[in-house]
Amino acid sequence: GAGVSQSPSNKVTEKGKDVELRCDPISGHTALYWYRQSLGQGLEFLIYFQGNSAPDKSGLPSDRFSAERTGGSVSTLTIQRTQQEDSAVYLCASSLMTDTQYFGPGTRLTVL
Amino acid sequence: GEDVEQSLFLSVREGDSSVINCTYTDSSSTYLYWYKQEPGAGLQLLTYIFSNMDMKQDQRLTVLLNKKDKHLSLRIADTQTGDSAIYFCGGGYGGATNKLIFGTGTLLAVQP
Repeated sequence: GAGVSQSPSNKVTEKGKDVELRCDPISGHTALYWYRQSLGQGLEFLIYFQGNSAPDKSGLPSDRFSAERTGGSVSTLTIQRTQQEDSAVYLCASSLMTDTQYFGPGTRLTVL
Repeated sequence: GEDVEQSLFLSVREGDSSVINCTYTDSSSTYLYWYKQEPGAGLQLLTYIFSNMDMKQDQRLTVLLNKKDKHLSLRIADTQTGDSAIYFCGGGYGGATNKLIFGTGTLLAVQP
C-alpha cells in the first residue's frame, strides 16, 4: 500500500514569505507527527495529532509555525514570515495510535 | 529533557561488521528505535526493541540494549555498500504522545 507522502519535495522561498507543506499519512493511521531536520542537527519534534484530540504543539519553535489536520487525514504545516533559520527538511510521520512511526520522504525548505 | 547522543561518523570496509552506538539520558523510553536515512530520502524504520529486552536479532541486524548504562547499539553483519546511510537512534515514550527523541545520526560509510 501507499506510504506517507509529502509535497512539495523541494520548496525555495524568499525570506518573509509564508509557506505551506503538505502531508498525506498512511490510510487508517490515526496519529500524525511533524519533525524538522536541520543541517548538522538531529531530528526535532514539532507537533503531534491524534484523532480528534487537541494536538501536542510543544515542539513548535515559534508562533510563526502552525499546523492543522483536516478530517483526521491530510495535514498542513504553515510557516509564516519565513526566516533563513527555518531552512531544513520537514518530515512527516504517521502511525496507528502510538505505534511505530512511518516517515514520508520529507520536504526540503530553503529560505533565501 | 531527553538527550540522545551518537558518534557522527563511522567508516568500515565492505564485508566487515559495523557497530553504531547510542547513549541516552532518560530511561523512561518504552521503545528504542533505529532508523536509516539514505541520501535525499526520508527515514526508514530498521528495527526497534522494547525497553524490557536486552537483545533483538533481525537477519544481519543485532540490537543490544544496556539499560543500566543507557546504551543502545546496532550491529550490522557483513556490511554492504548499500548500507551506507545515516543511522538514527530514537526513544519513544508511549503514553499520550509517542514523540520520538532522536540523536544527531551516525553517517556510515562503507568502503568497497
